[in-house]
Amino acid sequence: GAGVSQSPSNKVTEKGKDVELRCDPISGHTALYWYRQSLGQGLEFLIYFQGNSAPDKSGLPSDRFSAERTGGSVSTLTIQRTQQEDSAVYLCASSLGAGSDTGELFFGEGSRLTVL
Amino acid sequence: QKEVEQDPGPLSVPEGAIVSLNCTYSNSAFQYFMWYRQYSRKGPELLMYTYSSGNKEDGRFTAQVDKSSKYISLFIRDSQPSDSATYLCAMRRPSNTGKLIFGQGTTLQVKP
Repeated sequence: GAGVSQSPSNKVTEKGKDVELRCDPISGHTALYWYRQSLGQGLEFLIYFQGNSAPDKSGLPSDRFSAERTGGSVSTLTIQRTQQEDSAVYLCASSLGAGSDTGELFFGEGSRLTVL
Repeated sequence: QKEVEQDPGPLSVPEGAIVSLNCTYSNSAFQYFMWYRQYSRKGPELLMYTYSSGNKEDGRFTAQVDKSSKYISLFIRDSQPSDSATYLCAMRRPSNTGKLIFGQGTTLQVKP
């Protein structure tokens, strides 16, 4: 497809388990972002990858959260030892990258995580 | 205090009404201002983009930025049921291309 693809679309897990969320950005987009959307909380920035530069990890809420981007394309967000407060929709977005002044991020439909 | 404040609503209006959505912010370094629209269980999509202060019009939509008051607005004229969605304001500093700071989002319902 032409858009940002995320998987799984829904994930239910037990507290303490690890989860991996995948994002496949739009082809040719050099920038990739992860945001978290909790009920009534808006979008919370997590991490940003731009080309080969070191990622901006300033939004990761704890060291249980990590993300990597392989080959400048697909990204995986990993949450270790999940907690109930991690329940949210995790949104991935991509853009043309630095210099794209319109700021247009193209979002996927998100991965809905529920931690029981 | 959050960097960007937005009333979550919900806001319910009759079809054809003029809708006003607003955000305030605290960081005077923000220079790029956007409005995203998000339908239920979908990702947000860019609706309007404005650089610095001023107005921008696109069809039934008008975005306004007042940097002196740290206040941005989105107006929707002749609102339609298809406009029912959550509207999120977003903004960023010039030096940080990627990191958009979003408001909480306002849920709008336009009733036929």
